[in-house]
Amino acid sequence: ELKVEQNPLFLSMQEGKNYTIYCNYSTTSDRLYWYRQDPGKSLESLFVLLSNGAVKQEGRLMASLDTKARLSTLHITAAVHDLSATYFCAEAFQGGSEKLVFGKGTKLTVNP
Amino acid sequence: NAGVTQTPKFRILKIGQSMTLQCTQDMNHNYMYWYRQDPGMGLKLIYYSVGAGITDKGEVPNGYNVSRSTTEDFPLRLELAAPSQTSVYFCASSTPGWYEQYFGPGTRLTVT
Repeated sequence: ELKVEQNPLFLSMQEGKNYTIYCNYSTTSDRLYWYRQDPGKSLESLFVLLSNGAVKQEGRLMASLDTKARLSTLHITAAVHDLSATYFCAEAFQGGSEKLVFGKGTKLTVNP
Repeated sequence: NAGVTQTPKFRILKIGQSMTLQCTQDMNHNYMYWYRQDPGMGLKLIYYSVGAGITDKGEVPNGYNVSRSTTEDFPLRLELAAPSQTSVYFCASSTPGWYEQYFGPGTRLTVT
C-alpha cells in the first residue's frame, strides 16, 4: 500500500526563521510533488522533483529529493507571513498515468 | 486558456439523491483525475482516465461512477448520496511526459 507521511502536521513559526518539512514515502517512485493550498482554495503546484538528488528553489522555498531514503524535504528560509498555507507532498504511482498519493499536509502559520 | 473548470462550486444534497459533478479542461490533456479532500486531510484519488473511453478506479471509488466520452470532459456521478460523501471534490488533468497536474477550483458538496 502506498503511503506518504509528512511531518510536522502543524508548524507555527516566526517571521525570519528557517524550518524544514519532511515527506517520507513508501515506494521506489522517482517523482515527488509539492503543492500549496490556501484556505478554501485549490492546489497550486510548487515543485515537481523527477530524479534522485533533484533540488529546486523558488523564492524562500527549496525542495529536494532522496529516492534511496524515500525522503523529500521542503525548506523554508527566512519565513514571511505570506507563506502561511497548507503544504502537501505527493508521490506518483509507478506505471504511468501519474496517479498521485498525497500526504495529510503540513499547516504552516508564520507569525509576525 | 481557462485551464480546468468545475461546476457547480457548491451543492447541498439530501441523502439518497444523485448528482453529476462536471469537469472540463481546455489544454488537450490525455490524463484526467477526480480526487476528494476531507477536512484536514490530503487528497484521495477516486477515479482517473488516461484517454477518451478509458477509465479506472483509484483508492476510494465506491459510490461513484465516471465516464470519458471526450478528451475535454470527465464528469463524476454520485448515485444515492450518503453523508460520508460530504467533501471537497477536485478535478485535475495532465499530459504524458509533462508530469505536472493542473487542478480545478473544486466543488464543495454537503450531504445531509
